[in-house]
Amino acid sequence: SQKIEQNSEALNIQEGKTATLTCNYTNYSPAYLQWYRQDPGRGPVFLLLIRENEKEKRKERLKVTFDTTLKQSLFHITASQPADSATYLCALAPDSGGYQKVTFGTGTKLQVIP
Amino acid sequence: ETGVTQSPTHLIKTRGQQVTLRCSSQSGHNTVSWYQQALGQGPQFIFQYYREEENGRGNFPPRFSGLQFPNYSSELNVNALELDDSALYLCASSLNDRGTYEQYFGPGTRLTVT
Repeated sequence: SQKIEQNSEALNIQEGKTATLTCNYTNYSPAYLQWYRQDPGRGPVFLLLIRENEKEKRKERLKVTFDTTLKQSLFHITASQPADSATYLCALAPDSGGYQKVTFGTGTKLQVIP
Repeated sequence: ETGVTQSPTHLIKTRGQQVTLRCSSQSGHNTVSWYQQALGQGPQFIFQYYREEENGRGNFPPRFSGLQFPNYSSELNVNALELDDSALYLCASSLNDRGTYEQYFGPGTRLTVT
């Protein structure tokens, strides 16, 4: 069955450092992969999307890589700030035309320490 | 703010009862997806509606049903509530066009079944 794995343990990082989160998947051939941020008690917020034919995507301090051979995506936050503390979810979806069934991982909780 | 709203915010129901949750999509969006998120887990896809028709369904029993209205707002109905239905229910709206896969989530409805 399809499986998406994210680090289940929380990631603690010092302010100013680069945080790197991992998303691995099996039995899946996604057309695109998304990263979301979720704060406690709130809905996820879309951050970045990367397609299967793209290796890397950047947005401000965020960078996502997508390796379909390794079946892995890495999510980087450079110059991390305490305000970046949240749970980060990766989500995968097939390209099935109009049907956007998105499968989420369990998320990794990031804590940026001042 | 994403513009997606959900009501009610919190709800307590008894096992066996029925519940209706509501979602108002972001302006201009024609697709609504519903997700169930248990504590410590990622959102699980329930189903998606596109232009008032169910456009795909996850592994949820038929007692989970939905509607989308001409103004693209949506309802999630759950019959014969079970204790395991206790979760955060999220709706996400999107514009179902090629290349546009960003989902905008509402704040969620916290359902507790006792």
